[in-house]
Amino acid sequence: DIQVTQSPSSLSASVGDRVTISCRASQTISSSLNWYQQQPGRAPKLLIYGASSLQSGVPSRFSGSGSGTDFTLTISSLQPEDFATYYCQQSYSTPRTFGQGTKVEIK
Amino acid sequence: QVQLQQWGAGLLKPSETLSLTCVVSGSPFNGYYWTWIRQPPGKGLEWIGEINQGGSTNYNPSLKSRVTISMETSKSQVSLNLSSVTAADTAVYYCARMTQLWFPFFDYWAQGTLVTVSS
Repeated sequence: DIQVTQSPSSLSASVGDRVTISCRASQTISSSLNWYQQQPGRAPKLLIYGASSLQSGVPSRFSGSGSGTDFTLTISSLQPEDFATYYCQQSYSTPRTFGQGTKVEIK
Repeated sequence: QVQLQQWGAGLLKPSETLSLTCVVSGSPFNGYYWTWIRQPPGKGLEWIGEINQGGSTNYNPSLKSRVTISMETSKSQVSLNLSSVTAADTAVYYCARMTQLWFPFFDYWAQGTLVTVSS
């Protein structure tokens, strides 16, 4: 199985901050890496697919980069509605695995 | 507008079989993989398995011996059965659509069903 490790597991930030979350795969996965946002009590929402493609309707302050084993999700200017948990997920092979999540909290 | 709606029993006893159904509207049923994912309370996401239009399935090896995913194309429904449940199977279960362009991703999700296993 391909393991996906996210860091940090949590972070505190203020509105307007630039936030970066990292994801590392245990083997190369090309660009088959997706990012999701989950609000409490809600289903996850797709933000980024294929490492860097912005899902339709997602604000442009979200961006993704990376390929191979190392990937990054960046929120350029954190907004109040962005406080949530973020997950990366590899779709290179089955089982399709998720990172353990990064909780973004208000400082 | 693509919508996934799921239902099933929310409280089970150990050794019983979990059964959930997901119905899809606003989307062609064919051409996608239909997936089940679960999330134990306060924990992360775990992929359970998927089924494609031809009925081909892939399962998480950790659950493979107990899982069956099936579909009824005429009703745009996908079902999950998980046998011999224990407390470790307590989780919110989601069905999701997997779209495969150059890379697969889960773009639509149902609302989730909390399944609690308790004697």
